[in-house]
Amino acid sequence: GNSVTQMEGPVTLSEEAFLTINCTYTATGYPSLFWYVQYPGEGLQLLLKATKADDKGSNKGFEATYRKETTSFHLEKGSVQVSDSAVYFCALSSGGYQKVTFGTGTKLQVIP
Amino acid sequence: GAVVSQHPSRVICKSGTSVKIECRSLDFQATTMFWYRQFPKQSLMLMATSNEGSKATYEQGVEKDKFLINHASLTLSTLTVTSAHPEDSSFYICSASGGTNEKLFFGSGTQLSVL
Repeated sequence: GNSVTQMEGPVTLSEEAFLTINCTYTATGYPSLFWYVQYPGEGLQLLLKATKADDKGSNKGFEATYRKETTSFHLEKGSVQVSDSAVYFCALSSGGYQKVTFGTGTKLQVIP
Repeated sequence: GAVVSQHPSRVICKSGTSVKIECRSLDFQATTMFWYRQFPKQSLMLMATSNEGSKATYEQGVEKDKFLINHASLTLSTLTVTSAHPEDSSFYICSASGGTNEKLFFGSGTQLSVL
């Protein structure tokens, strides 16, 4: 079956530091890959997505590239801000947006 | 954008009691709603899928008689944890599919603690 493995948190960074959150997956076929973000007290929101190999998803300064050869979808941001503090979930779907398999989530805390 | 409201955000109950969690789509009609559960240090796991007006489809290993799901309208789904026990303590989150592009929108989650 499908599975997603992401690095454990929490991750604590200083403002303007470089961020990488690793994510690897196991899936049959050609899944779509997602990063979701959950800010404190809010629901999960789709941050970015990629639907095929070598696609790069990007949003709000975050990027992730769909690497089929390494089955990875690592999240990166060049310069984090305090407002980026949240829990980040890597996820995949083999059948559209709906049936989604999630990773465990990685809590990011950015300190001024 | 589309909003899904879930409440309560946190509930503490005694063992043996039942707890109801509500999930509402506020500005769109949700044809499908999903319920997830997350234990500490584990992934969000899909528990069940419900379509308005029909019985929910439960994932393997999820007891349908224990986790009652009602999706009586296009804007409301409820999850009732019946006869809750400490092992049911978990983070429960709903999502709704609807609106444009049938994207997923998530509630903010409910932390259930059973004493």
